[in-house]
Amino acid sequence: TQLLEQSPQFLSIQEGENLTVYCNSSSVFSSLQWYRQEPGEGPVLLVTVVTGGEVKKLKRLTFQFGDARKDSSLHITAAQPGDTGLYLCAGALGGTSYGKLTFGQGTILTVHP
Amino acid sequence: NAGVMQNPRHLVRRRGQEARLRCSPMKGHSHVYWYRQLPEEGLKFMVYLQKENIIDESGMPKERFSAEFPKEGPSILRIQQVVRGDSAAYFCASSPPVGGTQYFGPGTRLTVL
Repeated sequence: TQLLEQSPQFLSIQEGENLTVYCNSSSVFSSLQWYRQEPGEGPVLLVTVVTGGEVKKLKRLTFQFGDARKDSSLHITAAQPGDTGLYLCAGALGGTSYGKLTFGQGTILTVHP
Repeated sequence: NAGVMQNPRHLVRRRGQEARLRCSPMKGHSHVYWYRQLPEEGLKFMVYLQKENIIDESGMPKERFSAEFPKEGPSILRIQQVVRGDSAAYFCASSPPVGGTQYFGPGTRLTVL
């Protein structure tokens, strides 16, 4: 069973469209991170959210952490071809699992010019 | 400020040989994590180490795999008697205090022939 369900798995859109990626779990996370990974490279951190209900903006990207800290979303406004890549959410459970990140399956985003 | 360094970036081994993967954390980081990304799968936690201590190895296969983070030098992930199923990308991440955001290296791509 996947602890963090990420959807959709694939997303193919035209330049200028908006999109949302979801990350859901039945578990409560002490923090949640979003990463972007290019082929042949390691995940690059986009944002960390730690407070329930928190919203963070990074240019055209908006990240939200659910009130109960069980889910998160990534919204991209006016997508550009440069946004193409693999987006990963990763949660830290805390407690005895402190330090261990659980990753979603990832969303492969393709933005066509 | 240099990021997380991993070497080699690519490693080819024949079945039965040993693989040694190295990770140098970011300056000032004393916590190291190893993850494995199998083809068509997400990132899976393997082990979490601090200097000279293994904190959580719940994701490590019970046999052939070991990890260390000595007082001096990089962290090492060692795979003995490699098999084809070990072929994967292995990523190292580091963080400052426990629970801090994890920053990933570029990965080592292991191919077992």
